[in-house]
Amino acid sequence: QSALTQPASVSGSPGQSITISCTGTSSDVGSYDLVSWYQQHPGKAPKLMIYEVTKRPSGVSDRFSGSKSGNTASLTISGLQAEDEAEYYCCSNAGSSAYVFGTGTKVTVI
Amino acid sequence: QVQLEESGGGVVQPGRSLRLSCVASGFTFSTSGMSWVRQAPGKGLEWVALIWYDRSNEYYGDSVKGRFSISRDNSKSTLYLQMNSLRAEDTGVYYCVRGKPVWEPFYHYLMEVWGQGTTVTVSS
Repeated sequence: QSALTQPASVSGSPGQSITISCTGTSSDVGSYDLVSWYQQHPGKAPKLMIYEVTKRPSGVSDRFSGSKSGNTASLTISGLQAEDEAEYYCCSNAGSSAYVFGTGTKVTVI
Repeated sequence: QVQLEESGGGVVQPGRSLRLSCVASGFTFSTSGMSWVRQAPGKGLEWVALIWYDRSNEYYGDSVKGRFSISRDNSKSTLYLQMNSLRAEDTGVYYCVRGKPVWEPFYHYLMEVWGQGTTVTVSS
C-alpha cells in the first residue's frame, strides 16, 4: 500500500481558486469513486471535507469541490480564505479492507 | 453530538506493549465500523487498522500486521488497539475514527469523525 502522491505545497491569494491533485493507481483511486479529502489544522484532528469524490458533508462550505479523472483525484478550493490555510490529505479505499492516504499538501494563503 | 475520546498513550520502551482505548458517544457505536489512524511527528496520516461493526472482520496496515490487534466492546461503546513489539517508528498521535457504513459499490466504511488523538512515544 504505497501512499497516494500529492504536491507538498500549494499557495494562493484570498479570493483565488487552487487545486490539489492526488495521484494513485488503478488499484485504489482508479478503481472506485471512493476518494475522500480531509482538512487538518495544526494540532487538530482531521476533518472530512469531501467523500465519494464529489460529495460534501453537511456543514462544509460549497467552496470545496472534488473531481476525478483516471487515477488522479483533485480538490478545488474556490474563493480562498485565510481559514482555509491547513494541511489537506486525500484518501482512497483500496478495496473493502484497507485505506491509503495521500502524502499531504500544505495550503498557504498569501 | 458524536464524540470519540482516546486514552492510553504514553512513553514506552522499544519492544514493550501498550493498549489504547477509545470511548464513543453520540452515535450508535454497534453499527459503525471503527478504525485507528496514526500520524508520526511532522508526517502524514497512516491508516492502521479497521474492525467491522460486529467484529466479524479485522484489517491491518502492512507496517503493523502481526504486532497490533484491534478489538471492540459494543456493550461499552469502546474501541481498543493492543500494540505489541513496539518500535521507534510507531511513535505518533493515534486517532480513533468512526466509520459510517456504506453499501455501494460494495460494503465499506467512510472514515467520517475523528477523535482528538492520544500520543504514543516509543523510546528508550
